[in-house]
Amino acid sequence: DAGVIQSPRHEVTEMGQEVTLRCKPISGHDYLFWYRQTMMRGLELLIYFNNNVPIDDSGMPEDRFSAKMPNASFSTLKIQPSEPRDSAVYFCASTPGQGYYNEQFFGPGTRLTVL
Amino acid sequence: EDQVTQSPEALRLQEGESSSLNCSYTVSGLRGLFWYRQDPGKGPEFLFTLYSAGEEKEKERLKATLTKKESFLHITAPKPEDSATYLCAVRMDSNYQLIWGAGTKLIIKP
Repeated sequence: DAGVIQSPRHEVTEMGQEVTLRCKPISGHDYLFWYRQTMMRGLELLIYFNNNVPIDDSGMPEDRFSAKMPNASFSTLKIQPSEPRDSAVYFCASTPGQGYYNEQFFGPGTRLTVL
Repeated sequence: EDQVTQSPEALRLQEGESSSLNCSYTVSGLRGLFWYRQDPGKGPEFLFTLYSAGEEKEKERLKATLTKKESFLHITAPKPEDSATYLCAVRMDSNYQLIWGAGTKLIIKP
């Protein structure tokens, strides 16, 4: 298996622009998670899906952030409009979801820089 | 408040010098404690899951232990390739989310 795939790996944009991050989870995994990692705040959960349905989006910082999962093999995280404070590494992770005990498999991340 | 605290923030060791990293937690209804390793520029990579106090798991030079209040990641005779940030996370009874610690940056000098 190729693991969790994220694209792009790096994104540099200007304030006010729309940014779309993409994720392909591991085939057969029922849960998908979007995280943000910064030096100041560490790893923060933004939103997670179960069987393509958003379960908890309480970590989404504000309405500028939105996430979708149109099918089991694809998810997007969109920021519109982007701001410099959104600069961070964004990770997608997936897990089989057979109970509480399964580890999460992380993608390589997207490093976002908003100028 | 549910919380996970890791210490120290950073640890520098000489190659072969054994030590331990700490992860203390205050959560209700622990359903699993996870250790991950993160290399620069990469996503966290799973190491261990511990489910109950007294449990231990080993992998090469790493050994993880769990009590009712904390977990230790013991590293024996480390090598430079063990240098990474080690993250701890816990899952609670009623929630599928993980609560993450801030991590310990481990540097092993040759």
